[in-house]
Order: sequence, then structure tokens, then C-alpha cells
Amino acid sequence: EAGVAQSPRYKIIEKRQSVAFWCNPISGHATLYWYQQILGQGPKLLIQFQNNGVVDDSQLPKDRFSAERLKGVDSTLKIQPAKLEDSAVYLCASSPDRVSGELFFGEGSRLTVL
Amino acid sequence: GQNIDQPTEMTATEGAIVQINCTYQTSGFNGLFWYQQHAGEAPTFLSYNVLDGLEEKGRFSSFLSRSKGYSYLLLKELQMKDSASYLCAVYMNTGFQKLVFGTGTRLLVSP
Repeated sequence: EAGVAQSPRYKIIEKRQSVAFWCNPISGHATLYWYQQILGQGPKLLIQFQNNGVVDDSQLPKDRFSAERLKGVDSTLKIQPAKLEDSAVYLCASSPDRVSGELFFGEGSRLTVL
Repeated sequence: GQNIDQPTEMTATEGAIVQINCTYQTSGFNGLFWYQQHAGEAPTFLSYNVLDGLEEKGRFSSFLSRSKGYSYLLLKELQMKDSASYLCAVYMNTGFQKLVFGTGTRLLVSP
């Protein structure tokens, strides 16, 4: 079974530029999550989708971050414009349902903002 | 809201036993996960506790006390490859279910 796929693995941009990350969850997984993990900290949930609907985006900085999951499969997370403090690893995870809770993570996209 | 606390860093010796504690204060508690994360890699699932008590899985065991808002991860017969961060995560239901992570405990195993 293929795992969660993310791209790009690494991205370096200057502040005020924009960036987009892509995630393809495990086939059949209804729930998709984007987490932000700053170095030395635990992952922080940015947004959670159930199929193509948003379940929770309370910690998403909506003035600069946006995410969509069209057709309830793959998802993109965009940052525009980027700030220095956005430097982090962006982890995508999926789970088969909302009951078991176990998340399967992708390898992450490491963003450096200069 | 929620509050999840873990020690920032721990050190131990190869072959020893180490216990990593996690305390939490959350609403809508549904269970507690432990994940392992090696530097530069994604978190991987270790254990899931829903009921009070000890769950054993090989060299790793996890304990939960819901009344005390407390869990620990016990690692036995430590190996160098166990050097990693260990993340405590609470599974919450506040109208919808979500997984909230603590800051993680960085474990360094020395020879």
C-alpha cells in the first residue's frame, strides 16, 4: 500500500514570496490533516478535512495560508506571502476514519524562508 | 482548550530503561497516542491507549490514567536507534475529532 505522498520535500524562498505544497493521502482515507512543525516543537494542526469539507481550521492563519481538497482526494496548502516565522516542516497526514484516530504521515515538506 | 506537557529532553544509556511522562488537561478526551519521530523524518505510530492501564508491545509499553490526566511511555533495553523525539498526542472530540500533539521529548541514548 502506498503511503502519504508530499511534494516538494524542500523549498527555500524569500519572505513575501508564495509557496504551495501538495499532498496525496493513502487511497480511501477520508480524513486529511496539515500540520506545521517548527524545529524543536511538536506538530501543530493547521487544518483538517473530512472528504472535501473543512472540519477544523481554527489555527490556520487565514490572512496568508489557504488549503483546499478538491474532489476529496489530494490537497494543496498555500502560503502567500510567506514570513520568516513560517520556516517549518509541513506534514500531511491521513486516516481511514474519524474513529480510530491513528494518523499516517507523509515525509513532510521543509520550508525555509529567508 | 488543551494543555499537554512533556519533558523537553532526556538522556539514558544503552540497555537501560527510560520512562517518558506526559500530563494533559483537555476536554472531550478520546484516547492518547505516542509517536516516535527520528530527526528529519515523519512521526510513526507507537501506541494508543483508550482505557486505563498498561499496554505492552515488545520493548515499548504505554500507560494511561484518565482520572489523573497522565500517561507514560516506557522503553526497555534501550538501543542507540531509540534516540529520537517521542510525541504524546491527545485524541479529542469537541464536536469533531482531532489529534493534538505535545511538544515532544527528545531522547538521547548513549553507549
